[in-house]
Amino acid sequence: GAVVSQHPSWVICKSGTSVKIECRSLDFQATTMFWYRQFPKQSLMLMATSNEGSKATYEQGVEKDKFLINHASLTLSTLTVTSAHPEDSSFYICSAMDRATSSGANVLTFGAGSRLTVL
Amino acid sequence: DAKTTQPPSMDCAEGRAANLPCNHSTISGNEYVYWYRQIHSQGPQYIIHGLKNNETNEMASLIITEDRKSSTLILPHATLRDTAVYYCIVRGYNQGGKLIFGQGTELSVKP
Repeated sequence: GAVVSQHPSWVICKSGTSVKIECRSLDFQATTMFWYRQFPKQSLMLMATSNEGSKATYEQGVEKDKFLINHASLTLSTLTVTSAHPEDSSFYICSAMDRATSSGANVLTFGAGSRLTVL
Repeated sequence: DAKTTQPPSMDCAEGRAANLPCNHSTISGNEYVYWYRQIHSQGPQYIIHGLKNNETNEMASLIITEDRKSSTLILPHATLRDTAVYYCIVRGYNQGGKLIFGQGTELSVKP
């Protein structure tokens, strides 16, 4: 089945530094990927939609200059948390949609998530 | 806002069927019902989806009422590894593929 890989699975960084998280579709091509964040005991919150070769679409309230998204190829999207602060500490999860799926009910495959801790 | 309503938590005895309800009274004709689950500290895992008809796969069964305003996910023989948060999500084919998660149901399978 479809597999989405995220790296790193966890990262600790100092306040003020930037952190990059990678999301790869391993056995399929994904024209669209989605980035979510999740705080403890809460549900997933959609941050942005990443489309290959174009600018990401951010959900309301998500700072695009803070969370830089690049989707340079059909198998890779990256999320960079710039100038990270402790309040950015969270579980970041990506998902991808197989472009080969022709039905209207495209199933998203999720990565295992990346836990960011900002000191 | 999420378009679904689920009980916040449920318990189930190991080996018994787990029936997880979901209300989606405002569902429109082109919207599918999806079920995902999230085991602690992992990414969500796809379980099943359906439009009108009942569906079954190796993981679960999905029963959708005739008026499509509610559905039930059935895990036929729950195991301890089925302990997770289960999310029922409604999405149309013209909504860009994104999934909007509600609060889900925390299922605890007990020995």
